[in-house]
Amino acid sequence: QKEVEQDPGPLSVPEGAIVSLNCTYSNSAFQYFMWYRQYSRKGPELLMYTYSSGNKEDGRFTAQVDKSSKYISLFIRDSQPSDSATYLCAMKGSGSARQLTFGSGTQLTVLP
Amino acid sequence: GAVVSQHPSRVICKSGTSVKIECRSLDFQATTMFWYRQFPKQSLMLMATSNEGSKATYEQGVEKDKFLINHASLTLSTLTVTSAHPEDSSFYICSASSGTYGYTFGSGTRLTVV
Repeated sequence: QKEVEQDPGPLSVPEGAIVSLNCTYSNSAFQYFMWYRQYSRKGPELLMYTYSSGNKEDGRFTAQVDKSSKYISLFIRDSQPSDSATYLCAMKGSGSARQLTFGSGTQLTVLP
Repeated sequence: GAVVSQHPSRVICKSGTSVKIECRSLDFQATTMFWYRQFPKQSLMLMATSNEGSKATYEQGVEKDKFLINHASLTLSTLTVTSAHPEDSSFYICSASSGTYGYTFGSGTRLTVV
């Protein structure tokens, strides 16, 4: 079983739709949770970073963490064609370990 | 914000030759750098972790003699693919860390070995 599970999609939605992207994890040591967006043939860029359970909002993006269920989500409101990309969840534990553990990524297409 | 510059963005080389990929943190000191490999439509696979001034730590299954990593300064890390073969063709991405959660990725290098 992978430490982080993410539905690879592909996910296709019409412009303006609300998108929900999810990851589950099995390692209770994970304390920091991130969402990255990766356009084709580019490096990932950080969208959201969260530490505690609950919601964090930034513009059209909301990150949600439920540590009790080991479940994290990213919501995109009013989705735009420019949101079309692969979204990767990533997480890490506390302490000296620094490497991130990534989900497999969800490919999203927002249709105009 | 933090910027990581990765070069080249694309390289084609002949089988048997070596290729060097550079990763520079432009406006911060990167105490740790990570090198990833990504196959089409797959997630990032960590290859190695390097701390400035020390030897890199390679993940299981990654040949350290084939993928040479040098992290000589706080702003520069290099990955050299030695004696490259077609199966080494992939997308390589570096990431620099400067704190608890500050991970900034380079734009990636697409390596094609012919």
